[in-house]
Amino acid sequence: AQSVTQLDSQVPVFEEAPVELRCNYSSSVSVYLFWYVQYPNQGLQLLLKYLSGSTLVKGINGFEAEFNKSQTSFHLRKPSVHISDTAEYFCAVSDYSGYALNFGKGTSLLVTP
Amino acid sequence: DAGVIQSPRHEVTEMGQEVTLRCKPISGHNSLFWYRQTMMRGLELLIYFNNNVPIDDSGMPEDRFSAKMPNASFSTLKIQPSEPRDSAVYFCASIADGGNAQPQHFGDGTRLSIL
Repeated sequence: AQSVTQLDSQVPVFEEAPVELRCNYSSSVSVYLFWYVQYPNQGLQLLLKYLSGSTLVKGINGFEAEFNKSQTSFHLRKPSVHISDTAEYFCAVSDYSGYALNFGKGTSLLVTP
Repeated sequence: DAGVIQSPRHEVTEMGQEVTLRCKPISGHNSLFWYRQTMMRGLELLIYFNNNVPIDDSGMPEDRFSAKMPNASFSTLKIQPSEPRDSAVYFCASIADGGNAQPQHFGDGTRLSIL
């Protein structure tokens, strides 16, 4: 089975500062990796996904993530955050079926002026 | 497209009552997922359907929970009898063909409170 660990439950950051949200995965097989974002009182939206190929994946809203197989990591980064990026961010993993996702516990990103 | 539609958005009821949560997936999507989100356990997959057939219900917590998908445009998640520990936000999500890790499209959730 696959699983993910999000190392930080909360990340406070000032507006226009860079941010990195950490995610490590565990799996005995090759996997697909995802980052989803959840704004208050809404469902989750896909930010980006890694299937294969280039290890640097670019997503929406200026976010990107880098797949590192040797470190089993898939950290999410943004060079300059906005107030509107305040949300809950979830890392997720699936096997090659692409069906069931196992989500991490989430990281709450709080951007302040 | 209207997206995944869940109803009701909020439900407050007393323990022991039957609760029914409803989901309308995006038209043309053939897989549907039910998740439960709590502070303690995060986001848990309860069950998912492919072409209206339940594929994996290993996440359904107990026999009090049941889910159906009578047709491609409607699914229900039922809790009978409900208990306070069932209080959570329940999400429904749908995807098109499951190959190539198509993104899951989530509804806005049903916030369930069992008193």
